Amino acid sequence: GDSVTQMEGPVTLSEEAFLTINCTYTATGYPSLFWYVQYPGEGLQLLLKATKADDKGSNKGFEATYRKETTSFHLEKGSVQVSDSAVYFCALSDAGGSQGNLIFGKGTKLSVKP
Amino acid sequence: ETGVTQSPTHLIKTRGQQVTLRCSSQSGHNTVSWYQQALGQGPQFIFQYYREEENGRGNFPPRFSGLQFPNYSSELNVNALELDDSALYLCASTDARNRDADTQYFGPGTRLTVL
Repeated sequence: GDSVTQMEGPVTLSEEAFLTINCTYTATGYPSLFWYVQYPGEGLQLLLKATKADDKGSNKGFEATYRKETTSFHLEKGSVQVSDSAVYFCALSDAGGSQGNLIFGKGTKLSVKP
Repeated sequence: ETGVTQSPTHLIKTRGQQVTLRCSSQSGHNTVSWYQQALGQGPQFIFQYYREEENGRGNFPPRFSGLQFPNYSSELNVNALELDDSALYLCASTDARNRDADTQYFGPGTRLTVL
């Protein structure tokens, strides 16, 4: 079945460092891809999405590009802030673009030190 | 625009009891999905409701059941609680009529502890 694999954390960075969180997926169709963020004690917030190959999702300085050839959707940010400390989840929609359920990776915890 | 809300925030039950969790979908959204997030893990899909009927189910036993009401709000019921049911339960909503229907918006969750 469809699945998502994320790099394991935790990831600890200094403020203004460059961030990459790797995400690869396995899917039989053409899923939409997502990054969600979860701050301590809260639910999930949509960070960005991409719906087809070569699409780039971006939000709040974060970017990720849908790479079909490498089945990847790596999250990047050029300069992280302490406020970016959270758990980041990569996910795919398993119904080829409809409102099917989301399949999540295990999450990557990011800690940014001042 | 009102986001997804869930109640209660926290809940403590004992093994064998039954629990009901509630969710109000985001304004204008007609589809609700429920997820279970164990500590340190990603959310796992339980089921989805659309037009008051179950519209897909993950790998969860029948003691996990749900309802959707005409105003699109939803309930998750869990019978015969087990220790492993301790988790954060997340509700998410979307509008199936929307071109963006595969994007789900999450509530803050209900933290269930089973003793």
